[in-house]
Amino acid sequence: DTAVSQTPKYLVTQMGNDKSIKCEQNLGHDTMYWYKQDSKKFLKIMFSYNNKELIINETVPNRFSPKSPDKAHLNLHINSLELGDSAVYFCASSQVPGGRLPDTQYFGPGTRLTVL
Amino acid sequence: GENVEQHPSTLSVQEGDSAVIKCTYSDSASNYFPWYKQELGKGPQLIIDIRSNVGEKKDQRIAVTLNKTAKHFSLHITETQPEDSAVYFCAASRPPRGSSASKIIFGSGTRLSIRP
Repeated sequence: DTAVSQTPKYLVTQMGNDKSIKCEQNLGHDTMYWYKQDSKKFLKIMFSYNNKELIINETVPNRFSPKSPDKAHLNLHINSLELGDSAVYFCASSQVPGGRLPDTQYFGPGTRLTVL
Repeated sequence: GENVEQHPSTLSVQEGDSAVIKCTYSDSASNYFPWYKQELGKGPQLIIDIRSNVGEKKDQRIAVTLNKTAKHFSLHITETQPEDSAVYFCAASRPPRGSSASKIIFGSGTRLSIRP
């Protein structure tokens, strides 16, 4: 009965590799997000999708590409991984029509990415 | 741009005492202020939120106050218990500009420890 789930929970990989993180929500929400949490616990939004449409795209390197096959899924693909990409990545969702109103966000358990 | 400052970064209180975490925001158009609790190895979870049309909200041992004039808001936890130990994040959000989406700006977090 998990609301927002992410896979994998841990990801350890070499510099230069390409990897993907998957996210699924069963809350019936319209909007999904990706956040990056660095080693100092600072949470910063990366992307947001509303009903499969990109609505927020912060200053994130082009190596990061989100993909939303349907409104219940938002995956994050990262090309040419760098040491600085090491962080915990959180997926979140909210029931916000068109993403135009602030609303409660429900977070997944996170994916700890370690780039060696 | 939008900025949310949070203090203190760490807080240790005796079990049973109160804990107060303070935040300031820079964007006067912000109108939604959620507080999230993040336990070790988990994603942030909403514990309470307040909108700009009220000055105070309470839910059992947790209360939040908002001073729109000073652009301050605070989290108060009374009768603290060991399970209150976690990292707490304040956040602020404003209505979107034009066709953009609303996004939440998080503070830097407060690590709260409850001493038995």
